[in-house]
Amino acid sequence: EPEVTQTPSHQVTQMGQEVILRCVPISNHLYFYWYRQILGQKVEFLVSFYNNEISEKSEIFDDQFSVERPDGSNFTLKIRSTKLEDSAMYFCASSESGRTGYTFGSGTRLTVV
Amino acid sequence: GQQLNQSPQSMFIQEGEDVSMNCTSSSIFNTWLWYKQDPGEGPVLLIALYKAGELTSNGRLTAQFGITRKDSFLNISASIPSDVGIYFCAGQMSGGSNYKLTFGKGTLLTVNP
Repeated sequence: EPEVTQTPSHQVTQMGQEVILRCVPISNHLYFYWYRQILGQKVEFLVSFYNNEISEKSEIFDDQFSVERPDGSNFTLKIRSTKLEDSAMYFCASSESGRTGYTFGSGTRLTVV
Repeated sequence: GQQLNQSPQSMFIQEGEDVSMNCTSSSIFNTWLWYKQDPGEGPVLLIALYKAGELTSNGRLTAQFGITRKDSFLNISASIPSDVGIYFCAGQMSGGSNYKLTFGKGTLLTVNP
């Protein structure tokens, strides 16, 4: 079964540092997403990406966040200057067409200290 | 923003029992999805519903898309210990090139052998 792969699985960073979370979506998928989940809470939408541009972003996705698809396979989320409240699980997801269930990756646990 | 009310928050049942959980929304969705999340993992799609009134099964799981498009339920029959986990409903109001999901807060299911 095809998978969405995320690296690293766990990252610890100092407050104010930049982090890049990496994802390899399923190869024939066209829609890409980032979600986050603060410990014990629901999964929240961050950003959607289609045709090499952002389709929609949430209020959480402020100027400190950016996404990129630098080549045909990777999809990255960058947090420019991390804050303590950025600590969460970050999930990448992809879908073949928009209106089908996504496949989520296993997530990157980001801990900001 | 759109809010999903998912209930119950948690359930403790005996192996073999049936389980029911539901989600309601103040706004309509075009698609309802049910995901299961195991600890430290990403959500895994269980069932996707695309039409109002649709009733869909996946093994011991059955889900329905409410006629009003504002609710959905998930039933698990004859529960087994590996059903333990957090179950999330998610609604999708598709349009343009954005297909973001709005998640409920989850139902934590515990199954006693």
